[in-house]
Amino acid sequence: EAQVTQNPRYLITVTGKKLTVTCSQNMNHEYMSWYRQDPGLGLRQIYYSMNVEVTDKGDVPEGYKVSRKEKRNFPLILESPSPNQTSLYFCASSYLGGAQETQYFGPGTRLLVL
Amino acid sequence: AQSVTQLGSHVSVSEGALVLLRCNYSSSVPPYLFWYVQYPNQGLQLLLKYTTGATLVKGINGFEAEFKKSETSFHLTKPSAHMSDAAEYFCAVTAPFGKGGGNKLTFGTGTQLKVEL
Repeated sequence: EAQVTQNPRYLITVTGKKLTVTCSQNMNHEYMSWYRQDPGLGLRQIYYSMNVEVTDKGDVPEGYKVSRKEKRNFPLILESPSPNQTSLYFCASSYLGGAQETQYFGPGTRLLVL
Repeated sequence: AQSVTQLGSHVSVSEGALVLLRCNYSSSVPPYLFWYVQYPNQGLQLLLKYTTGATLVKGINGFEAEFKKSETSFHLTKPSAHMSDAAEYFCAVTAPFGKGGGNKLTFGTGTQLKVEL
């Protein structure tokens, strides 16, 4: 089954404790992206990747890191989480990253930073 | 730069009634427009999209939307609401060669649809 998976689905942590949210897709997509969803703000892009070893900032990259060492994986790293990073996070992928392409979303990771 | 405005953060309809969710966009170049649906505790799923060609676009689950350039609108409709349509709906826009890669979606703030008996 074609899908985007994220782990963990739920995470409670404390300020400053490094964490990684994994994202994996099995559709051989070139383009992957991370969004965060906050009430009243919709979804905002954090980082994206057009291909292996090619990443760039989205609209809200502060406090986040990403890497793309393999085509299928695109982990999101919070090196020193803060309470304002409490949010619902979605990973998404699409075939080549063309503007007209459908993006496929993972199920989301709900993060609470105390 | 692109932006999306969704009028009404909450919409309530009776089962069997018309569903109308409003979306207006702003874009400096011809946009590509999308509607995504989010069911509780799930990721986003594409309902339909407009890229080029016919301005009336049909999607899954009986939804459709019409791209109206003169009104900069892409409203989502369904003739008859069903209980299973209760979800949050997001309008989004991309543009060729936009920032964030061509595929960066700029989302509206979402509309929560409630369907009542």
